[in-house]
Amino acid sequence: NAGVMQNPRHLVRRRGQEARLRCSPMKGHSHVYWYRQLPEEGLKFMVYLQKENIIDESGMPKERFSAEFPKEGPSILRIQQVVRGDSAAYFCASSPKEAGGYTFGSGTRLTVV
Amino acid sequence: QQQVKQSPQSLIVQKGGISIINCAYENTAFDYFPWYQQFPGKGPALLIAIRPDVSEKKEGRFTISFNKSAKQFSLHIMDSQPGDSATYFCAASSGGGADGLTFGKGTHLIIQP
Repeated sequence: NAGVMQNPRHLVRRRGQEARLRCSPMKGHSHVYWYRQLPEEGLKFMVYLQKENIIDESGMPKERFSAEFPKEGPSILRIQQVVRGDSAAYFCASSPKEAGGYTFGSGTRLTVV
Repeated sequence: QQQVKQSPQSLIVQKGGISIINCAYENTAFDYFPWYQQFPGKGPALLIAIRPDVSEKKEGRFTISFNKSAKQFSLHIMDSQPGDSATYFCAASSGGGADGLTFGKGTHLIIQP
């Protein structure tokens, strides 16, 4: 049973480009969460999705960021027109239908140059 | 999301000693309190979690103590080992754990052999 799979592991983008981060939840998990971690900081909640639905996006910046979790395929976190301040580690977590018990992926480390 | 305050920021403990990390929260709606362990370059891994209907939970060498009236909870690592050296995060959420987690800023734990 594979864990939460995130790719790519490392992503370098120039300012103004788009970044697409992918997350495949664990088998049987229908809830996906995205978090951002800045150096020496805890993780900050961004968005909570279920299949085809955004449940809570209260932590998502209002501009340039979007997330989806389609019926088929991985969840995608998209960052348009990236800026240096977007450089961080982005973690995805999934959980089964029951509450609690997140499993995190290994993250995507985004560097904006 | 309300803040979760974690202390100390860093901690050095001798092998075999007890490591203690503390967290305090403000939001009385929080009802799920997990602790995560993170190694460099990896995603956080769930160590142990507690719900507010109990004051203590023990799993192996790890114990959570929970004080609902003080809105505080702590992680105790007994017989600390060099392999325990990592960053530890406390977190909290509402909705029984289904909602997004609010993380503390983390504690860098070093166990000296």
